[in-house]
Amino acid sequence: DQQVKQNSPSLSVQEGRISILNCDYTNSMFDYFLWYKKYPAEGPTFLISISSIKDKNEDGRFTVFLNKSAKHLSLHIVPSQPGDSAVYFCAARNSGGGADGLTFGKGTHLIIQP
Amino acid sequence: KAGVTQTPRYLIKTRGQQVTLSCSPISGHRSVSWYQQTPGQGLQFLFEYFSETQRNKGNFPGRFSGRQFSNSRSEMNVSTLELGDSALYLCASSLAPGRYQPQHFGDGTRLSIL
Repeated sequence: DQQVKQNSPSLSVQEGRISILNCDYTNSMFDYFLWYKKYPAEGPTFLISISSIKDKNEDGRFTVFLNKSAKHLSLHIVPSQPGDSAVYFCAARNSGGGADGLTFGKGTHLIIQP
Repeated sequence: KAGVTQTPRYLIKTRGQQVTLSCSPISGHRSVSWYQQTPGQGLQFLFEYFSETQRNKGNFPGRFSGRQFSNSRSEMNVSTLELGDSALYLCASSLAPGRYQPQHFGDGTRLSIL
């Protein structure tokens, strides 16, 4: 079963507008959430993370929101730029004792249109 | 600051052979994790090493193994290769396996099995 789901395989947004990428999870033991960006032929690049004790974390143009009751998180990119076109992965982890590795969603391909 | 370095970038093997992949973490990072990425299954956790000890292991057969050296460099070995082992193998490092530590990825080794 997929514990981390990104239900939109692709998303097209105009340059300068807001991009919102969504992610749902089912495992209530997850307490650390991350977003990665991936270009073809490169490894994932860490963007931003949030722990379960927070509901928002901001870093420049990137903001991650966490809704624990809904088991949902989202990544907002404002304003969207052409270089943001990439595949975005949501990942989660149970950071407690005996922690597992990251569990990833299948990714959302973000396309920024000029 | 140098990132995570994986060698080789590309590898072609035949069924039944074995292969060893190498990963050098970011300087100062002591935790190394390995992931497999395939089109069907996405990114899946293989194992994590810290202080030369395997801390966690994902749901992969015993043909997949790894080790970590005293300088935190890590190797991953796959024995008796199968066609289904064709994938991108990614290594990630973090400062320590503690809570809320983001993992930083290398560009991966693309393994093709003929």
